[in-house]
Amino acid sequence: AQKVTQAQTEISVVEKEDVTLDCVYETRDTTYYLFWYKQPPSGELVFLIRRNSFDEQNEISGRYSWNFQKSTSSFNFTITASQVVDSAVYFCALSGNNAGNMLTFGGGTRLMVKP
Amino acid sequence: SQTIHQWPATLVQPVGSPLSLECTVEGTSNPNLYWYRQAAGRGLQLLFYSVGIGQISSEVPQNLSASRPQDRQFILSSKKLLLSDSGFYLCAWSVLGAATNQPQHFGDGTRLSIL
Repeated sequence: AQKVTQAQTEISVVEKEDVTLDCVYETRDTTYYLFWYKQPPSGELVFLIRRNSFDEQNEISGRYSWNFQKSTSSFNFTITASQVVDSAVYFCALSGNNAGNMLTFGGGTRLMVKP
Repeated sequence: SQTIHQWPATLVQPVGSPLSLECTVEGTSNPNLYWYRQAAGRGLQLLFYSVGIGQISSEVPQNLSASRPQDRQFILSSKKLLLSDSGFYLCAWSVLGAATNQPQHFGDGTRLSIL
């Protein structure tokens, strides 16, 4: 069985602070994929990144960066110099070997960035 | 480019009434399709997924059902709604096939309130 844990249910920061959202996963699959999604107050889920289990290189996209550590089964997400528009619920998800390309989602972390 | 449409955006229904939520995808063929429910302040729960016309897999037993009458159309239904059916319903699609575990892309969601 697969499991994704986002231990931080809510984080509050002041604008321009850096913030890291934690994600820890469990799977028995040797090949798997990890994802992050953003859910702004409007409700839709926006895909941010996909990472496969063979690629442990960290990735940076603008103010966003992701740290994949296979040894600790973690895929953490850092926002540098946070902005009010970053306020949202962020979900980490895992997909392993399944015919339906199904995702297992974590419970989400609500990030509030105050001006 | 691919787009996904969900309607209605909001819906208020009395207990015991029927339900029909519709989702259509444009710009792709043979997508995997998914229905999720998100209770207030909670994570995402996969309800149904489909890998082809008429092929529906249910993840959680309940009084909801899903149908896929056409390749890019996915419908969520109920004959008699319960109070516990309230929530935010999200439709998603992904490229068919699990080989590369492509991300799921979500619609804008339907906010369903049962009175």
